[in-house]
Amino acid sequence: QKEVEQDPGPLSVPEGAIVSLNCTYSNSAFQYFMWYRQYSRKGPELLMYTYSSGNKEDGRFTAQVDKSSKYISLFIRDSQPSDSATYLCAMSAGYTGGFKTIFGAGTRLFVKA
Amino acid sequence: NAGVTQTPKFQVLKTGQSMTLQCAQDMNHNSMYWYRQDPGMGLRLIYYSASEGTTDKGEVPNGYNVSRLNKREFSLRLESAAPSQTSVYFCASRGRGDEQFFGPGTRLTVL
Repeated sequence: QKEVEQDPGPLSVPEGAIVSLNCTYSNSAFQYFMWYRQYSRKGPELLMYTYSSGNKEDGRFTAQVDKSSKYISLFIRDSQPSDSATYLCAMSAGYTGGFKTIFGAGTRLFVKA
Repeated sequence: NAGVTQTPKFQVLKTGQSMTLQCAQDMNHNSMYWYRQDPGMGLRLIYYSASEGTTDKGEVPNGYNVSRLNKREFSLRLESAAPSQTSVYFCASRGRGDEQFFGPGTRLTVL
């Protein structure tokens, strides 16, 4: 079983739709939760970062963490064609000597105009 | 401020050839990473360097070597390339927080 599971999609939605992207994880040691956005043929870039259960909002984006269910979500409101990209969840845990970060496989999102 | 840069952008090798992928960052970060990204597999850590002078294996280190030349530069070497090493390679760096900053990637094909 992978430590982080993410549905690869693709997910296709019309412009203006609300998008929900999800990841589940198995390691309860993960403390920090991130969402990266990756445009085609580019490197990933950090979109959202949170370290506690609950919601964090930034513009049209909301990150949600439920540590009791080991489940994280990213919601995109009023989706735009420019949101078309691959979204990767990532989780980190500290350990003696450093940090361990595990990435999900990524969900490809297409927003149709 | 260029962030993380990688060279080359594209490379085609024949089986058995060697090459070095170069990475440099100008953000004064201590930690640097090499990942490979394959369809359906996500980003998998090959090697990382927590600070200048130290390197450690990640999840998939076989067939690779690394050198942390100085604080700015972290190179990845394939001594004898194999078709299974066809992938997109990303270098990343991290400061004191958890955010990793990624380079633009190198697309490698091994024939």
